[in-house]
Amino acid sequence: NAGVTQTPKFQVLKTGQSMTLQCAQDMNHNSMYWYRQDPGMGLRLIYYSASEGTTDKGEVPNGYNVSRLNKREFSLRLESAAPSQTSVYFCASSVRELRSPLHFGNGTRLTVT
Amino acid sequence: KNEVEQSPQNLTAQEGEFITINCSYSVGISALHWLQQHPGGGIVSLFMLSSGKKKHGRLIATINIQEKHSSLHITASHPRDSAVYICAVRETSGSRLTFGEGTQLTVNP
Repeated sequence: NAGVTQTPKFQVLKTGQSMTLQCAQDMNHNSMYWYRQDPGMGLRLIYYSASEGTTDKGEVPNGYNVSRLNKREFSLRLESAAPSQTSVYFCASSVRELRSPLHFGNGTRLTVT
Repeated sequence: KNEVEQSPQNLTAQEGEFITINCSYSVGISALHWLQQHPGGGIVSLFMLSSGKKKHGRLIATINIQEKHSSLHITASHPRDSAVYICAVRETSGSRLTFGEGTQLTVNP
């Protein structure tokens, strides 16, 4: 099993460009999450999907959109990238919403210039 | 003040030493997670606990709900234990995890 697969691993964008971060899990998990990690701060939740067909805002949703394409896939879109979105992004999944351990992807390092 | 505070922020130990990392939180919680972030950046879940103690190999996690405190212990530490250890809590009233900033552990041979 691959677990949680995130792509791409690295990305450099210019301000105003758009991109989509892809995430897929093969563990039949119901819940999926997108986090960002910045120096000196803990992981912060951007959006989450408690189950297929639902999405909800997290702590820092501004500037992002998400799509729960099916049970396996949960994508994160930056419509107009800003330097403040330079960060490391992690996708995660769990069997049930926060009532089971999280499984993380390997992260995407995004730089917006 | 952060809702989740970890101490120490940085810890350097010699191989074989017993290590303790602490996590204090200020809110009511339903569960606490300990995570390990490898030098390459990947994050692995170590424990999820809501009471008492859990053990896995050389790792032990304890939680005291009344004192709002958890500890992660590593026995017979090894250089491969070098990583960032992250504490996260699920609030009783919330639907998200709040993460600490992490403790950077370096174990020297």
